[in-house]
Order: sequence, then C-alpha cells, then structure tokens
Amino acid sequence: EPEVTQTPSHQVTQMGQEVILRCVPISNHLYFYWYRQILGQKVEFLVSFYNNEISEKSEIFDDQFSVERPDGSNFTLKIRSTKLEDSAMYFCASSLLGQGLNEQYFGPGTRLTVT
Amino acid sequence: DQQVKQNSPSLSVQEGRISILNCDYTNSMFDYFLWYKKYPAEGPTFLISISSIKDKNEDGRFTVFLNKSAKHLSLHIVPSQPGDSAVYFCAAKDNQGGKLIFGQGTELSVKP
Repeated sequence: EPEVTQTPSHQVTQMGQEVILRCVPISNHLYFYWYRQILGQKVEFLVSFYNNEISEKSEIFDDQFSVERPDGSNFTLKIRSTKLEDSAMYFCASSLLGQGLNEQYFGPGTRLTVT
Repeated sequence: DQQVKQNSPSLSVQEGRISILNCDYTNSMFDYFLWYKKYPAEGPTFLISISSIKDKNEDGRFTVFLNKSAKHLSLHIVPSQPGDSAVYFCAAKDNQGGKLIFGQGTELSVKP
C-alpha cells in the first residue's frame, strides 16, 4: 500500500540553525501539506502546496519557513533559523485532490528538537 | 480559534463494548469530516470520513454519525478491541483551501 515517508525521524538542532525536513508523498498525489504538533497541543496546519506553488499558508508559516518540491518525488520544509518554539512533530501529508471529498494521508512525522 | 473541539481528553472502555468518541464544530460551512487514529511516534492514520450530505457512514466496526443541526459528530467503534487503543482526532476540511482543522484528540484505552 502506498504511503507517505519522512526523513529524518528525529532531528536535533541548535537554535539559529537551518533545518530541512524531507517528505516523499504518495506518487500519484497532487496536493501536499505540512502540519505540526507541539507536544500536548493540536495538530496545526502550516502550508499547502500544489502545482509547484503555495496554495495556502497559516500564520505560523512566516518568512523563516519555506517549502520546495525540488524534483518529482521529494517535498521539503525548510526552517531558516530555528527557534526553541519550533520544537514539535512535523507531519507531511498528501492527497489526490485538494478540495472536495478526499482524505489526506500522513507520514510518520519528524520530531524536531531545538536546543 | 477552536473551530473543532473534542471535549473528552480520554476515554476508557472494556473490550467488546462500544466506544463513542465525540466532536463538535462551530463552522457550518464545513462539508467534510474525517477521523484519524494516531499511535505514539506515528503519523495520523485515516480511519473514516463523512460528507455533510450524509448523516451516517459505516465501515466495518467503525461508524461515524453527523448531526448538522447540532454541529456534532461522533465515532462509534463496536466491538472495541485492545488494538483500538490510540489517540483519535476529529478533523474538518476547510472547503476554501482544503486544509484540515483538527480537534485536540481523545485518547482511547480499551481494556481486555
């Protein structure tokens, strides 16, 4: 069964460093998403991506964040200068369609720890 | 901004009995609702969904009920099994941009 994969599973970085989180969405899916979950809190939407551009972004997704689909399979989230409050689980998701009645499939997550 | 709320942080049920997980929402424009199951150190796994034009959707042991007038949905698991123990998230799909808006989750524990 096709699945979304994410690497690394755990990333530890120092405050101010850049990190890149990687995702391989399901191959025939067209819409890609990043969500995050700070420990003990809700899963929150960060950004959606379609046709090589951002479709929608949340207030959390400020200038420190960027997304890219560098090739036909990878989808990356970059945080330029990490802050302590960026520590969270980051989930990538993909879906066949954006709107309408279709579900999003999530990867296993990357645990980002900023020290 | 709590557009989707799950007011019970935890639920404990005996194996073989029914588990009922509840979810409330505030935005009457939501037209698609999903339930996800999450084990520790894993991503959310899609379980079942319902469109706003329906009031019930069933898949094996899992049934989701939607009451639009009350802006309430529930997930029924029957019979409950120990392997069902996980955190269950209710989510609503934003019909403008397609993002999912999640509730806080309910941790279900099914005791043998």
